[in-house]
Amino acid sequence: DAKTTQPNSMESNEEEPVHLPCNHSTISGTDYIHWYRQLPSQGPEYVIHGLTSNVNNRMASLAIAEDRKSSTLILHRATLRDAAVYYCILAGSNFGNEKLTFGTGTRLTIIP
Amino acid sequence: KAGVTQTPRYLIKTRGQQVTLSCSPISGHRSVSWYQQTPGQGLQFLFEYFSETQRNKGNFPGRFSGRQFSNSRSEMNVSTLELGDSALYLCASSSPGQGATYEQYFGPGTRLTVT
Repeated sequence: DAKTTQPNSMESNEEEPVHLPCNHSTISGTDYIHWYRQLPSQGPEYVIHGLTSNVNNRMASLAIAEDRKSSTLILHRATLRDAAVYYCILAGSNFGNEKLTFGTGTRLTIIP
Repeated sequence: KAGVTQTPRYLIKTRGQQVTLSCSPISGHRSVSWYQQTPGQGLQFLFEYFSETQRNKGNFPGRFSGRQFSNSRSEMNVSTLELGDSALYLCASSSPGQGATYEQYFGPGTRLTVT
């Protein structure tokens, strides 16, 4: 499985944008970039995914570098509820490959 | 739609015993995956079932097994429990059809403590 590298921790002020980086230099052409987050005492929660183009949804935006070797999850206006561990995961496009390989993630702390 | 449910939520067992954990996926989801989460190893994939067949398997010993029923509900079993099996066991369901373009929905987990 291709690996991802994320900072161990980040802090951000409440109501400010947050940019969470992820490096994935060995990404293959068919790997999708997924982001999940895990709030305290809960199971992981899907945030967003993309292949090549930038993606937006109600939770966040995903900016993917042109060479696809890195990506950035953008939370537009952080709230205290966004404090969580954020995981950047690469997953292949083969049907039947539902396995997600989690790294250590980035622990995001929101400062009130 | 009801989310993924896991039972029990907490469990305490003794070394050498066996345990069965249950997972009910979101209605209509046919794929169920299991993960183990520990402070030392993080989140690790155990196995995945689709239409009652195991399709993917992680790197765990044979003491860890699972099955899926015709209604997509799944169980995982750990035999001869060891102290290192203490972990949060998470179940996730999805509705695959196009490989990695789906999303997985996780349950709250079962916290297993082995003494």
